[in-house]
Amino acid sequence: EAGVTQFPSHSVIEKGQTVTLRCDPISGHDNLYWYRRVMGKEIKFLLHFVKESKQDESGMPNNRFLAERTGGTYSTLKVQPAELEDSGVYFCASRAVYNSPLHFGNGTRLTVT
Amino acid sequence: AQSVTQPDIHITVSEGASLELRCNYSYGATPYLFWYVQSPGQGLQLLLKYFSGDTLVQGIKGFEAEFKRSQSSFNLRKPSVHWSDAAEYFCAVGSNTGTASKLTFGTGTRLQVTL
Repeated sequence: EAGVTQFPSHSVIEKGQTVTLRCDPISGHDNLYWYRRVMGKEIKFLLHFVKESKQDESGMPNNRFLAERTGGTYSTLKVQPAELEDSGVYFCASRAVYNSPLHFGNGTRLTVT
Repeated sequence: AQSVTQPDIHITVSEGASLELRCNYSYGATPYLFWYVQSPGQGLQLLLKYFSGDTLVQGIKGFEAEFKRSQSSFNLRKPSVHWSDAAEYFCAVGSNTGTASKLTFGTGTRLQVTL
C-alpha cells in the first residue's frame, strides 16, 4: 500500500508570502494529523482530523495557519502570511482507527527567508 | 500536561557496541509510549510501542525498550549497533483516553555510528 505522501518536499518562500502544503494519507485512514518540528526542537502536534472534521486543533500556532480536509481525503495546510519563525519541517501522519499505528510522511521542509 | 525528555542530544557509538537511548516522560495516567526513528530524507518510522502488559517490548531492527513506571522512563536499547542505525530517534508519549491520540515528542537524539 502507498504510504503517506507529502508535497512539496521542500519549499523556500519569502516572509509575507503564502505557502500551501499538501498531505495525502493512506487510503482509508480517517485520522489525519499535522505536526511540525522547528529546528532543533521537539516535534509538536498541530491538529487532528477525523474524516473532514477537526477533532483537535489545539496545537495550531495562530490564525495564519489554516488546515482543511475537504471530503475527508487529502489535507492542506496553508500559511498566510508566512513569518520567519514558521520555518521547520511539517509532518503529516495518518492512522486507520484509534490505537492503530501512526504512519508518517517524509515531511515538507519549509524555509521562510 | 504530558512531556518527554530526551537528555542526550547527540550520541556516538562504535559499530558492534551496545546502545541505550534515554527517555523520561511526565504523564498523569498510564501512558502510551513510543519510539520512532527518522533516517535522513525519510519520515518517522515506528520502532516499537508500549500500551500495557509486559514492560519489556521488542521492536523492529533488533531494538527493545523497557517501561519503568517507578522511574518514568522508557529507554531504548540495542545490543549491537549497525552502521545503518545512524539516524535520529524520538521518544513520544500519547494519551490513552478516548479518541485523544495526539503524541508528545521529545527533542530527539541523533545517533552517529563509527566504523
